Amino acid sequence: EPEVTQTPSHQVTQMGQEVILRCVPISNHLYFYWYRQILGQKVEFLVSFYNNEISEKSEIFDDQFSVERPDGSNFTLKIRSTKLEDSAMYFCAGTLGSTDTQYFGPGTRLTVL
Amino acid sequence: AQSVAQPEDQVNVAEGNPLTVKCTYSVSGNPYLFWYVQYPNRGLQFLLKYITGDNLVKGSYGFEAEFNKSQTSFHLKKPSALVSDSALYFCAVRDSVYSSASKIIFGSGTRLSIRP
Repeated sequence: EPEVTQTPSHQVTQMGQEVILRCVPISNHLYFYWYRQILGQKVEFLVSFYNNEISEKSEIFDDQFSVERPDGSNFTLKIRSTKLEDSAMYFCAGTLGSTDTQYFGPGTRLTVL
Repeated sequence: AQSVAQPEDQVNVAEGNPLTVKCTYSVSGNPYLFWYVQYPNRGLQFLLKYITGDNLVKGSYGFEAEFNKSQTSFHLKKPSALVSDSALYFCAVRDSVYSSASKIIFGSGTRLSIRP
């Protein structure tokens, strides 16, 4: 069964550094998402992406964040200058169509020191 | 705005007993409802969903959920709990049925603990 994969599984970085989190969605999916989960808290939406454009973004997704689908398979989330409060688990998700289930990757744990 | 509430932070059940994890929702229009499970240090795994049709939805690992429109609830159930069911369970609702790239809104999660 196809799966969403994410790399790295754990990223440790210094405050102010740039990080890129990578996701490989299921190959026939068309809609892509990033969510995050701060330790012990609920899963929060960051951004949705379709047809090489951002469809929707939350207030968390400020100018420090960007997403890209550079080569038709990878889907990346970049944080330009990380803050301590960016420490969280980041999940990528994808779906084939508008009523389909979103399938999540295993997540990347980002630790900002 | 759409929202989901999971009133219990923790549910404790003895192995072999039935379990229920509660969820209520608030939406405008028809709800698309989901249950996901998260095992320790793992991602979110899809369990089941309700979009339309039969109010009793069957999903993975023997779980089912009952959609109740009048009570705006979508409780997760299993007739006989296993120790391996111990995990964090999230109820979720699709934000809009009109937007193709619509986000999912998650509840706060319920930790299910099954004692042997």
